[in-house]
Amino acid sequence: QVQLVQSGAEVKKPGSSVKVSCKASGGTFSSYAINWVRQAPGQGLEWMGGIVPFFGTANYAPKFQGRVTITADESTTTAYMELSSLRSEDTAVYYCARDRGLRSFDYWGQGTLVTVSS
Amino acid sequence: DIVMTQSPLSLPVTPGEPASISCRSSQSLLNSDGHNFLDWYLQKPGQSPHLLIYLGSNRASGVPDRFSGSGSGTDFTLKISRVEAEDVGIYYCMQGLQTPRTFGQGTKVEIK
Repeated sequence: QVQLVQSGAEVKKPGSSVKVSCKASGGTFSSYAINWVRQAPGQGLEWMGGIVPFFGTANYAPKFQGRVTITADESTTTAYMELSSLRSEDTAVYYCARDRGLRSFDYWGQGTLVTVSS
Repeated sequence: DIVMTQSPLSLPVTPGEPASISCRSSQSLLNSDGHNFLDWYLQKPGQSPHLLIYLGSNRASGVPDRFSGSGSGTDFTLKISRVEAEDVGIYYCMQGLQTPRTFGQGTKVEIK
């Protein structure tokens, strides 16, 4: 059974960065894309980007290009999402989700709340 | 970017009755291999989203058969044949044809 376990909640100051981890277990890590989706309070779902660990090259949504970095460590089967220049509008729950190759997200992490506040 | 539009945004339902949600995309989600790259997700209160339907009409593992997906091109529908209390939550469609992946606004299903 595939599991994605994310790091814990974070409180950050405006202008700083946050790095969220997503550890995968129970499946083949390298072959499938790990995506990052965020959800602001009371809002819908927003795709930020994704990476196939085997290839190591990330694909980002234009909205976040230049501010987000998605990486993956095959040795620890962990994916990371780092968001810089944080502002209050980045307060959200950040989810990782696996794309099993059919371009659908079949497993999701439990979510990580990132609060940006001065 | 492909724009996904869901309707209705709020759907009060009666247990045992059917329910239907529509999702339209700003361009066709039908790929040259004949697949429609359209998924449906349900986010129950306080939980992460989970996959219900993939490639337009395929139920994900463990999804009850009261859920069905249909449609092609730009118009898709999620149907619940007989709503149960556990089906409450927000339903999202998502296109997987191209990046950036985009979601509909969500349809909140609640019991009358």
